[in-house]
Amino acid sequence: DTGVSQDPRHKITKRGQNVTFRCDPISEHNRLYWYRQTLGQGPEFLTYFQNEAQLEKSRLLSDRFSAERPKGSFSTLEIQRTEQGDSAMYLCASTPETGELFFGEGSRLTVL
Amino acid sequence: ILNVEQSPQSLHVQEGDSTNFTCSFPSSNFYALHWYRWETAKSPEALFVMTLNGDEKKKGRISATLNTKEGYSYLYIKGSQPEDSATYLCAPNILTGGGNKLTFGTGTQLKVEL
Repeated sequence: DTGVSQDPRHKITKRGQNVTFRCDPISEHNRLYWYRQTLGQGPEFLTYFQNEAQLEKSRLLSDRFSAERPKGSFSTLEIQRTEQGDSAMYLCASTPETGELFFGEGSRLTVL
Repeated sequence: ILNVEQSPQSLHVQEGDSTNFTCSFPSSNFYALHWYRWETAKSPEALFVMTLNGDEKKKGRISATLNTKEGYSYLYIKGSQPEDSATYLCAPNILTGGGNKLTFGTGTQLKVEL
């Protein structure tokens, strides 16, 4: 399968713990996006990379969130000191340029 | 924050019915309009990417139109089938100087019943 893959698919954690999600984009895609989706809402933009450069980060994102794409391939999204409000589906998507996004199946986070 | 509105929020139709959804968005600094279908337990999948005013695109029984001057797009499904049940998301790409990203609406949840 050469699509976008995300890991883990599901994560249950206690409030205050750190969690990390990984995204492996389609190999030739240089742009990688992270979105968050909560119940009843559309996906909300978090951040995006062009190759290894993080070009934009949402102002809605607190300092507890950090993302990296060290070699311009896979990316990680870390949430420190999780809160119940962080419970959501975290979606990764990649694209070769500015065309359609190719999404992974998402990582669902539940913070107890 | 861009205001992207989709209506209706949800829709129940019978198999064979035709239906349409609306997406409205800011018309200034428009670059492109995306439509995605998101089935439960799967990843969102692109249906159309539209850029030109008056654009019409078609994929099987699904088609879409675009009006960039007034800031809206319609998605049509002809002869709905149960496999069309999904959430349909629209996402304009507006050039705001803040980078190239899509802003999604809240979606229209379609349920097609036998």
